Order: sequence, then structure tokens, then C-alpha cells
Amino acid sequence: GEDVEQSLFLSVREGDSSVINCTYTDSSSTYLYWYKQEPGAGLQLLTYIFSNMDMKQDQRLTVLLNKKDKHLSLRIADTQTGDSAIYFCAEREGRNTGFQKLVFGTGTRLLVSP
Amino acid sequence: NAGVTQTPKFRILKIGQSMTLQCTQDMNHNYMYWYRQDPGMGLKLIYYSVGAGITDKGEVPNGYNVSRSTTEDFPLRLELAAPSQTSVYFCASSQSGVANYGYTFGSGTRLTVV
Repeated sequence: GEDVEQSLFLSVREGDSSVINCTYTDSSSTYLYWYKQEPGAGLQLLTYIFSNMDMKQDQRLTVLLNKKDKHLSLRIADTQTGDSAIYFCAEREGRNTGFQKLVFGTGTRLLVSP
Repeated sequence: NAGVTQTPKFRILKIGQSMTLQCTQDMNHNYMYWYRQDPGMGLKLIYYSVGAGITDKGEVPNGYNVSRSTTEDFPLRLELAAPSQTSVYFCASSQSGVANYGYTFGSGTRLTVV
């Protein structure tokens, strides 16, 4: 079945850039997502990218997609302490245009130190 | 809008007890999901539903049951609770045909079985 992998932990200093990486296995994935989970809360959609795109930028967030290598990354510019959270990569499984089952990675815990 | 509401937020169960985790959404989403989150393991899909009266198993359905009598509600039933069911449970919903919106998550139920 489909699998999504992420490193478990990343530590950066405030003001630096953070890069969180993800690899996935389903070459037919049409959408890939990044979710953020703050302590004690549910997951919130941060951004997504459609598979025909290589890059998407949204304020401090940059998503890069390498379809050949099935590699997705999330870059956070000027990382702040409020960005400390767990970040989940997810791919949309299946070709059905209606039902969308997402497969989530294990999550990367980002720790931002002052 | 409230989005996805889960109750209770916390619960301690004794081995062998039963309980129902409640989930309701007010966005008229067709699709609903139950995930469990274990540390370092990401999210595992327990059950999902593509509409009222239709449910299906996910990756880890054993020990759980669901029902979907209305579009809004998707309760998760635990029968004969076991320590292996200690986890954080998330309910989510999504709209058919709108893949770029991803899922909307509830804030979770933290369950401990002792």
C-alpha cells in the first residue's frame, strides 16, 4: 500500500529557515498536503500542491514537489517560535475524483528555539 | 460554523469497559473519518464513511465499530476496551469533489485504558 515517510524531528533557531522533507510512494497522487498540529489540538491544513505543479509559495511557506523522486518539501522562511508544532505530510490516495482517502506521514516535530 | 466537534476531550476507561466517542460536523460534508494517533506513528485510519448509511473499514478497525445514520454524526464505538486502544482519536470530514480543501479535523479525544 501507499506509504509516506518523514523524519521525526527538526530543531532550528528563530529567524532561520526550516525545511521539512517527505517522501511518498503513490505516483498517481493528485494532491499532496501539509498539515500543522499544535500541542493538544487537531490537524490544520497549511497548504497543498497539485501534482502538475513543481512549486507553490504562500507567504512564508514554500512547497517544492519532485514527482520523479516522489519527494515533497515544506520550507518555512524566518521561522518563529510560534511555528513549533508537528508537521504532517499527506498524499491523496486513489484515482476517484470524489472520495479522497489521505495517507499521512508520521509527522515531523519542529522545535524553534529563541 | 463550529466545524468538526468531538466529545469528550479526555476519558479514562477500565479494561473491558465500552464507550462511544462522538463526532459531529455542521459543514454538510459527505465524507467522514476516524483516525487514531500514536506517538511516532502518525495517523492510522480506523473507519470512514462516504455518506449516511455507508461505512467501511480502514487500516486498523479491530475493536471498533461505527455508524452513520445522519450526514452530521459519525460516532465511534469501543467495545471491551484494551490497553492497546490508549491513543488520541481524531474525527475528520471532507467535501466530495473538493480535493484541494483536504480534511477538517476535530480537536481530538485523548483516551487512556487502564
